[in-house]
Amino acid sequence: GAGVSQSPRYKVTKRGQDVTLRCDPISSHATLYWYQQALGQGPEFLTYFNYEAQPDKSGLPSDRFSAERPEGSISTLTIQRTEQRDSAMYRCASSPGGGETQYFGPGTRLLVL
Amino acid sequence: SQKIEQNSEALNIQEGKTATLTCNYTNYSPAYLQWYRQDPGRGPVFLLLIRENEKEKRKERLKVTFDTTLKQSLFHITASQPADSATYLCALEGGGFKTIFGAGTRLFVKA
Repeated sequence: GAGVSQSPRYKVTKRGQDVTLRCDPISSHATLYWYQQALGQGPEFLTYFNYEAQPDKSGLPSDRFSAERPEGSISTLTIQRTEQRDSAMYRCASSPGGGETQYFGPGTRLLVL
Repeated sequence: SQKIEQNSEALNIQEGKTATLTCNYTNYSPAYLQWYRQDPGRGPVFLLLIRENEKEKRKERLKVTFDTTLKQSLFHITASQPADSATYLCALEGGGFKTIFGAGTRLFVKA
């Protein structure tokens, strides 16, 4: 695609519900990153994929968070049993390979009530 | 503990002057460091990448330096313009392809 896309752009959910966020990277980009960004802060690393492999998920805050990229293209980030503290902007980025320019998507703003 | 720090206060400068932003880090040995620009409500946009064996890199009005001894990178915008007003984020390689971002510095350029 022309750029990184994310859906939904906004998500409001109630505490305890599960949510799934989607990222569609630039086609042919091998590496895909997920970040959480609080207002006034920089993106905080959650996890990344190299094709379908997930070498590092050290940034995932708890086992309620999981991510997949089963075919090495589209990725999903799932948060189970959401809590109010999960409210944030979730950003996806892709790059041709690791250690290169990251292209960010518009983000999904999640609000947990 | 590992830290990456950028000027937390906003930087206000006059149009035409050079803006200098600082990024300091501790307990990392990054193979490269990147600078991004972020406008309100938008995702970060890549500006420059500098590798550990490079001292300086330039792109148009932008210049980045990387001092691995001081564990510091400086980001300069020369002949600044009001359109340069944004938040600038420093990001370093945190092991493998993991990327660690600083909190960013807000730059305001007054006409």
